[in-house]
Amino acid sequence: NAGVTQTPKFQVLKTGQSMTLQCAQDMNHNSMYWYRQDPGMGLRLIYYSASEGTTDKGEVPNGYNVSRLNKREFSLRLESAAPSQTSVYFCASSNKGGSTEAFFGQGTRLTVV
Amino acid sequence: QQQVKQSPQSLIVQKGGIPIINCAYENTAFDYFPWYQQFPGKGPALLIAIRPDVSEKKEGRFTISFNKSAKQFSLHIMDSQPGDSATYFCAASTEDAGNMLTFGGGTRLMVKP
Repeated sequence: NAGVTQTPKFQVLKTGQSMTLQCAQDMNHNSMYWYRQDPGMGLRLIYYSASEGTTDKGEVPNGYNVSRLNKREFSLRLESAAPSQTSVYFCASSNKGGSTEAFFGQGTRLTVV
Repeated sequence: QQQVKQSPQSLIVQKGGIPIINCAYENTAFDYFPWYQQFPGKGPALLIAIRPDVSEKKEGRFTISFNKSAKQFSLHIMDSQPGDSATYFCAASTEDAGNMLTFGGGTRLMVKP
């Protein structure tokens, strides 16, 4: 049981380049999320998808787009990377509803130079 | 604007000590308060969680204390061990918002042998 799988684990981009971070979960969860983690700021929600076919902005959506490809997969795209997007990105999933555990992937460490 | 404030940012204790990590929140609609533990290179994992209808919850060596009137909650780790060395995040969410977690800034804990 893999849980939440993110690819790639590491990536270096030049300013202005684009890339897509992939995420897949095998727990049949309805909800999926993308967070970024920066020192001293915890994890901040970028986008989320409450169910297949729906996506909504989180706290820090600027510069990102997402696609909920199917129930398993939720991708995050940087169209024109900026140094301010240097961060560790985590995908998570959970069943809809409060008080349910969110499961996180191992993260993607992205550096934009 | 950080809706969940966590302190301290870092903490060093001796083995057997009782580290205490504190969080304060602003949004009175929050009704689920989990703590996540993160080891280097890994994604956060749920450690323990509490709802505001109880003032304390204990699971093994980990205890959450909750003060609804003060809008504060804290994590106590009894008989801390070097293996507890990790980063700890408090978080909060509302049932209406699914499991979209608002995280505190994190506490890096080191337990010395």
